[in-house]
Amino acid sequence: GDSVTQMEGPVTLSEEAFLTINCTYTATGYPSLFWYVQYPGEGLQLLLKATKADDKGSNKGFEATYRKETTSFHLEKGSVQVSDSAVYFCALRTLSGNNRLAFGKGNQVVVIP
Amino acid sequence: DVKVTQSSRYLVKRTGEKVFLECVQDMDHENMFWYRQDPGLGLRLIYFSYDVKMKEKGDIPEGYSVSREKKERFSLILESASTNQTSMYLCASSSPGRSGANVLTFGAGSRLTVL
Repeated sequence: GDSVTQMEGPVTLSEEAFLTINCTYTATGYPSLFWYVQYPGEGLQLLLKATKADDKGSNKGFEATYRKETTSFHLEKGSVQVSDSAVYFCALRTLSGNNRLAFGKGNQVVVIP
Repeated sequence: DVKVTQSSRYLVKRTGEKVFLECVQDMDHENMFWYRQDPGLGLRLIYFSYDVKMKEKGDIPEGYSVSREKKERFSLILESASTNQTSMYLCASSSPGRSGANVLTFGAGSRLTVL
C-alpha cells in the first residue's frame, strides 16, 4: 500500500546550519505530498505541500520539491534557528479517498544555539 | 482559524476502565480522524469519519470504537483500557475534496496513561 519512509533517528545541529530531512514514498499514481511540523506540546500543523511532480512547496524558509523520478520529497532549510526545534512528519494523501493521510515516523530536530 | 479542541490534555486511567476522548471542531468539516502517536512509530490512524453517524476503520482499530452523533464532535472510546493503549491521541479534521482540502487541522493532543 501507499507509504512514506523518513530517514532514521533524531537530527541535532547548530543554529544557522543547513537542514535536510529525507522522505521517500511508495504510492500508486501521483499522490499529494505534505510536511507537517509538531512543536513541543502542540498538535501537528501543515508546514508545506506539493500536489504534482516538480512542484516546490515552501514556507517559513523551508522548501521541498516533489521528485517523481526519485519518489522523494526531501525537506530543506538553509539556516535553521532554535525555534525550528520540533518533530517533522512527511505524509502523502492516499488514493483511497476520504482524505486519509499516510504519515512517516517523524524526525526530531534539535537546534543548538 | 480552524480550531480542533480536545477536551483533555492529560488523563490517567486504570486498566479496565472505560475511557472517552472528546474532540470538537468549529469549521463545519465533514471529515474527522483519530490518530495515536508513539515514539518510533509516528502517527497511526485508528478511525475516521466522513459524515455524521459514519465511521471507517483505520489501520489500528482494535480495542477502540468511535461515535459521531453531531458533525462537530468525534469521540474515541476505549471500552476497557489496557496498558498498551498508553499513548498520545491526536484528533484532526478536514473538509472533503482534492484542492487544498487534504490539509488536516489537528488538536493539541490528549496524553493518556493507563496504569
